[in-house]
Amino acid sequence: DSGVTQTPKHLITATGQRVTLRCSPRSGDLSVYWYQQSLDQGLQFLIHYYNGEERAKGNILERFSAQQFPDLHSELNLSSLELGDSALYFCASSVALGQGMRTDTQYFGPGTRLTVL
Amino acid sequence: AQSVTQPDIHITVSEGASLELRCNYSYGATPYLFWYVQSPGQGLQLLLKYFSGDTLVQGIKGFEAEFKRSQSSFNLRKPSVHWSDAAEYFCAVAGRNGGSQGNLIFGKGTKLSVKP
Repeated sequence: DSGVTQTPKHLITATGQRVTLRCSPRSGDLSVYWYQQSLDQGLQFLIHYYNGEERAKGNILERFSAQQFPDLHSELNLSSLELGDSALYFCASSVALGQGMRTDTQYFGPGTRLTVL
Repeated sequence: AQSVTQPDIHITVSEGASLELRCNYSYGATPYLFWYVQSPGQGLQLLLKYFSGDTLVQGIKGFEAEFKRSQSSFNLRKPSVHWSDAAEYFCAVAGRNGGSQGNLIFGKGTKLSVKP
């Protein structure tokens, strides 16, 4: 158990809908990362938050957004869902990764499997 | 462009045999290097990491990896594979300076099957 929790574990929804995935980082970790794992694209970085602020964006669609709250949990919002958004979405956390600080190890949650029908 | 290559999509080894999974990277400077393992239906578990120092690093479950700067490689090894090692293995890199470089770049993964 990494200490990172994600809910829900599974999510089934229809095209055009909007869903919210939730992540709670390990105790004391200030950074949260979101990754998408799909069969065709593999594991891809979506977005990084540090202590409530967005730090970096990867291959994240405009239909997707995220935020990190004062209690450090994070939510990934996916809207206008398409069949191709079906994937496993991982959240990872690390101790402290602000601008100019050294990279640290990321610990992953169990993931949320999203199925869009 | 920054990338990680795992040339073997699928490897099958016999239980008790040795294992080597290959990983090559392309990065502007020497990155931090990681190996993660994913069992079916599970999340990613960190096996080991290289930040600096001794280029041979030891990890959990009896795994080790060797960083070779001249070859831009970080191959994972295990002297004797157990049936429970069957899983998918991912090599990843990240920039050293955090911020916008701190995210992981993953290879496509190598699926390991173990024959009894």
